[in-house]
Amino acid sequence: GAVVSQHPSRVICKSGTSVKIECRSLDFQATTMFWYRQFPKQSLMLMATSNEGSKATYEQGVEKDKFLINHASLTLSTLTVTSAHPEDSSFYICSARDPGGGWVHGYTFGSGTRLTVV
Amino acid sequence: GIQVEQSPPDLILQEGANSTLRCNFSDSVNNLQWFHQNPWGQLINLFYIPSGTKQNGRLSATTVATERYSLLYISSSQTTDSGVYFCAVREAAGNKLTFGGGTRVLVKP
Repeated sequence: GAVVSQHPSRVICKSGTSVKIECRSLDFQATTMFWYRQFPKQSLMLMATSNEGSKATYEQGVEKDKFLINHASLTLSTLTVTSAHPEDSSFYICSARDPGGGWVHGYTFGSGTRLTVV
Repeated sequence: GIQVEQSPPDLILQEGANSTLRCNFSDSVNNLQWFHQNPWGQLINLFYIPSGTKQNGRLSATTVATERYSLLYISSSQTTDSGVYFCAVREAAGNKLTFGGGTRVLVKP
């Protein structure tokens, strides 16, 4: 089945620095990928839709200049948290769907990245 | 946007017990998935079930799209079933998933 790989799994950074998170589709090409954020004991909230070769679409309330998304190839989307602050500490997780696989399995998720800003 | 509600929010089970988790959604959907999030945060895809019934081992799911709800059944629960179960739907118009609030399950030995 479709596999989505996400790195790093954990990252600790100092306040004011930037962090890049990678999301790769390993065995399929994804023109669209999705980035979610999950705070402790809460559900997943969609942050943005990453579109290969064009600008990302951000959900209401998500700062596009703070959460930079780049989808430069059909297998890689990156999320960069710029000038990170402690309130950005969260679990970030990406997802994609293999369009060649129909809807048999739906969306597949990466293993997530736990970001801690100190 | 579409609203997704899951119940109950928390569930404590004795090992071996059966349980039913519910997901209600407010509008027509083209996609409904059930996920299990383990303690490390990994989302495991349990079922893609926009309608009908599916079974996989001790788990089964039923979606009644016309009545806008889905049920996840856990039979003979085991401690490894502990975690958070999420229901997520994709609206008829659109390609993004909206998640419910989740059901936190604890199975005690």
